Amino acid sequence: QKEVEQNSGPLSVPEGAIASLNCTYSDRGSQSFFWYRQYSGKSPELIMSIYSNGDKEDGRFTAQLNKASQYVSLLIRDSQPSDSATYLCAVAAMNRDDKIIFGKGTRLHILP
Amino acid sequence: ETGVTQTPRHLVMGMTNKKSLKCEQHLGHNAMYWYKQSAKKPLELMFVYSLEERVENNSVPSRFSPECPNSSHLFLHLHTLQPEDSALYLCASSLQPQGGGNYGYTFGSGTRLTVV
Repeated sequence: QKEVEQNSGPLSVPEGAIASLNCTYSDRGSQSFFWYRQYSGKSPELIMSIYSNGDKEDGRFTAQLNKASQYVSLLIRDSQPSDSATYLCAVAAMNRDDKIIFGKGTRLHILP
Repeated sequence: ETGVTQTPRHLVMGMTNKKSLKCEQHLGHNAMYWYKQSAKKPLELMFVYSLEERVENNSVPSRFSPECPNSSHLFLHLHTLQPEDSALYLCASSLQPQGGGNYGYTFGSGTRLTVV
């Protein structure tokens, strides 16, 4: 059973601080990794994707991947109240028959 | 607007009703998906269509019936649902069939379904 694990939270972070969201996955064949943001009552929105070990930066967001440890994280710098949402980690293998597996999500609350 | 449009946004139906959810994507994607999202559960994949052909049915009860007339449109026909079927139903599309390739999924805004 392929699984993606996330701490459900809520994770409370003061405004302006760095929010760190973590995710582990069970399938060593995983090749593609995604972070989705989902506001309450809305649909998930893709905010970051990463495929190689190391860091990938996009504005205030940094995704970090460590395939040896089967670990992917998302850092949000200078956290804003508008970052308050649930963040879903998603993982996919590159095999044609494989699909994206989602974690349950981590609820992030930025404290003004 | 993500390029994936779902209607209706909200739906309340009785257990004896028949209704349909509609999804349309304007992204030129080749695969479309139906997901169910219930409180405190991960997204549950229901159906996958690749180039209009159903490639996966994730043990979904027969009271849910998908239809994909072309690569841009996807329907979910509902009949004799149960209260536990109340959830957010999300449509998604991806450029590459299965696995989302390197691009992930683009989700529609979802239909909030309440079965009474």
